[in-house]
Amino acid sequence: DSGVTQTPKHLITATGQRVTLRCSPRSGDLSVYWYQQSLDQGLQFLIQYYNGEERAKGNILERFSAQQFPDLHSELNLSSLELGDSALYFCASSDREWNYGYTFGSGTRLTVV
Amino acid sequence: GIQVEQSPPDLILQEGANSTLRCNFSDSVNNLQWFHQNPWGQLINLFYIPSGTKQNGRLSATTVATERYSLLYISSSQTTDSGVYFCAVESVKGGSEKLVFGKGTKLTVNP
Repeated sequence: DSGVTQTPKHLITATGQRVTLRCSPRSGDLSVYWYQQSLDQGLQFLIQYYNGEERAKGNILERFSAQQFPDLHSELNLSSLELGDSALYFCASSDREWNYGYTFGSGTRLTVV
Repeated sequence: GIQVEQSPPDLILQEGANSTLRCNFSDSVNNLQWFHQNPWGQLINLFYIPSGTKQNGRLSATTVATERYSLLYISSSQTTDSGVYFCAVESVKGGSEKLVFGKGTKLTVNP
């Protein structure tokens, strides 16, 4: 167990639908990162939150949004889903003070049918 | 942004063989990590190694930051070592507080 918890592990949904992925960071980590891994694009950075505030944005579509709550857990919302959104979505957290680097959760496998 | 290149892209070994995976990066980094993605998709953190050498059992890693490369050594490989190995770096440049991944090395260890 890496200490980063992601739910659900698997999700199957239809095109046009909306889903929410949840992430609880490792205890004490203030930064949360979301990544998308698809077959043709590799691991792509989507967005970072630090202590509740958006810190950096990557290749995140306008149909996608995220937030980090006061208890530091984060949610990634994906709407108007398309077949191409099928991918593994990872959450990671980091602890910059102790230099452990980034720790990744086990991912959510999203299948859009 | 920073570029990360991994080689070789694919590697097939017999159980017991040794291997070296390479990661080249295009800019100075303040973080470099090696990950193993197992067949179930989990990303396992192997090393946090922005510089220097570390060892963990049969695995070791060396990063030469001044020359912008890192090496991951796997000795006496086992079938459970199969999977994809990723190198990921974080640039020192401001506003780039994220890990950038290479495309990975797919390792297959045959019994």
